Amino acid sequence: AQSVAQPEDQVNVAEGNPLTVKCTYSVSGNPYLFWYVQYPNRGLQFLLKYITGDNLVKGSYGFEAEFNKSQTSFHLKKPSALVSDSALYFCAVRDIEWSGGGADGLTFGKGTHLIIQP
Amino acid sequence: NAGVMQNPRHLVRRRGQEARLRCSPMKGHSHVYWYRQLPEEGLKFMVYLQKENIIDESGMPKERFSAEFPKEGPSILRIQQVVRGDSAAYFCASSLGRLSYEQYFGPGTRLTVT
Repeated sequence: AQSVAQPEDQVNVAEGNPLTVKCTYSVSGNPYLFWYVQYPNRGLQFLLKYITGDNLVKGSYGFEAEFNKSQTSFHLKKPSALVSDSALYFCAVRDIEWSGGGADGLTFGKGTHLIIQP
Repeated sequence: NAGVMQNPRHLVRRRGQEARLRCSPMKGHSHVYWYRQLPEEGLKFMVYLQKENIIDESGMPKERFSAEFPKEGPSILRIQQVVRGDSAAYFCASSLGRLSYEQYFGPGTRLTVT
């Protein structure tokens, strides 16, 4: 079975500074990894994904994430934070080699509140 | 290009009533997923459907919950005899294909059981 850990409930960053939202995962095989953002009372919006290839993945709104297999991590990053980036961020994983129950569903972390201070 | 649509956005039911949640996937998407989000929790997978078929319902509670995705019309998540513990946000997602494809989420239905 797969799992995702987002070790920080909340991350505070000053506007204009770089931001990092951490994610580590556990799978028995190889992972597909995703980041989503959720604004209050809204659904999740897809930001980016890692499937294969280059470990640095670029996504929407200037976000990027780096896949690190040895550390089983997929941290979300942005060089310069905006106040409008304040939201709830979810990391999700799917185990490529798992074909049992839940194989097609995404396994989500509990989310990290990102607060960008003006 | 319309996204995933869900209705109603808010639903209030008394204990023992039935709740029906609807989901229309993005145009061209034939893969539909339902998730439940409890307060301060991440989303939990419930069921994966393709047109007229339930592919994986391993995340669905064994009783009172059912889902369908008919040949015509939206996908329906049905909860019979609701209890207070069913209060949550229910999200539908759709995708163009399986596994490596990203899922696109609807705005959710917030179910409150009184």
